Amino acid sequence: DQQVKQNSPSLSVQEGRISILNCDYTNSMFDYFLWYKKYPAEGPTFLISISSIKDKNEDGRFTVFLNKSAKHLSLHIVPSQPGDSAVYFCAASGDYGGATNKLIFGTGTLLAVQP
Amino acid sequence: DTGVSQNPRHKITKRGQNVTFRCDPISEHNRLYWYRQTLGQGPEFLTYFQNEAQLEKSRLLSDRFSAERPKGSFSTLEIQRTEQGDSAMYLCASSLVGDNEQFFGPGTRLTVL
Repeated sequence: DQQVKQNSPSLSVQEGRISILNCDYTNSMFDYFLWYKKYPAEGPTFLISISSIKDKNEDGRFTVFLNKSAKHLSLHIVPSQPGDSAVYFCAASGDYGGATNKLIFGTGTLLAVQP
Repeated sequence: DTGVSQNPRHKITKRGQNVTFRCDPISEHNRLYWYRQTLGQGPEFLTYFQNEAQLEKSRLLSDRFSAERPKGSFSTLEIQRTEQGDSAMYLCASSLVGDNEQFFGPGTRLTVL
């Protein structure tokens, strides 16, 4: 039962263009969403997050959009740079009654930014 | 560097052996999480500590797995009688109570032969 889904295993974008990474979720109890970036042989690095009370959060070149009615979020990277090439994970957390804040991750999207 | 650290970074063991991994969280963080990541998958939650108390364990955590955080600082994850299916990247993360963002260490890659 995959509660967080990233349906695109990979994405290739030209340097300077926009990268759009998508994520869908099924559990309406999720109230916080995060994006992590992961390079090979390293742990995930926190990138940006959004609370369910918002529909947009922006940090420099990175913007996350949340559409609660569609249970969909997306990460926009503008402009894309070769150093952005990595695996991007979408993650969600919610109040499961135990206040764990454990993260539920998608399967990741490999972004390749071509120079 | 005051980030999350994990040791060892790599561990190769034979099936049936016991292994232990260590995680040192960010010093002021009172929440500590263990996750496991296999090829092509995202990290999966294993267990969680708030200070020294282990408050939740995933059903993925069989009875061969045990985790401790004895003084509310570093944590250890032990796997007894390892199986080939235990081969994975074991990730540790920490956070402050009330914060949703978790900060991950570099992971320990376990290979069971």
